[in-house]
Amino acid sequence: GEDVEQSLFLSVREGDSSVINCTYTDSSSTYLYWYKQEPGAGLQLLTYIFSNMDMKQDQRLTVLLNKKDKHLSLRIADTQTGDSAIYFCAEMKAAGNKLTFGGGTRVLVKP
Amino acid sequence: NAGVTQTPKFRVLKTGQSMTLLCAQDMNHEYMYWYRQDPGMGLRLIHYSVGEGTTAKGEVPDGYNVSRLKKQNFLLGLESAAPSQTSVYFCASSYIGRGNTEAFFGQGTRLTVV
Repeated sequence: GEDVEQSLFLSVREGDSSVINCTYTDSSSTYLYWYKQEPGAGLQLLTYIFSNMDMKQDQRLTVLLNKKDKHLSLRIADTQTGDSAIYFCAEMKAAGNKLTFGGGTRVLVKP
Repeated sequence: NAGVTQTPKFRVLKTGQSMTLLCAQDMNHEYMYWYRQDPGMGLRLIHYSVGEGTTAKGEVPDGYNVSRLKKQNFLLGLESAAPSQTSVYFCASSYIGRGNTEAFFGQGTRLTVV
């Protein structure tokens, strides 16, 4: 959707860190999410962050939120071939509780 | 625990035909959503519902109708299918609770309109 933007593609070598970026427009968003979609499958929630937080870490995943710039990032440490997928950023808008997604970033992990 | 179940999984329609996609969730979630996914465009919200008996328009509602007569079911209808509605449709459900607001997705319905 127009309100949430992501880059289309990211290529990374196995073992390196991946950083996927996302920008959003609604400063009143309550929650921001990262979802993963593998080929032919639905979306799986990876992690989320509440809008009053700056950072959240969950094993290999680190989410950074810059509220001033409305910028969200997902860092995947020690990227594995199984991390190859499409990653979606999403925001929960305070008005109407709409869940809006970005266009997705396709991550390709090369051995 | 089935989670979110969509039926059918695949369907081919002729232009002008109608059909209904069914989404069922067994998690007692208040919120339910219908999205379409097209290459390079991510997921776009068609319609959503914040409770039984309520529906609201999303980003791309034209050509679709929805109903939420029962809390566990959210139906998406196409009255007169068009080739532009060829897409993969995803249903999701969620609740808004303190500290957790995960949306759970169905496996998708691949619809082709010829």
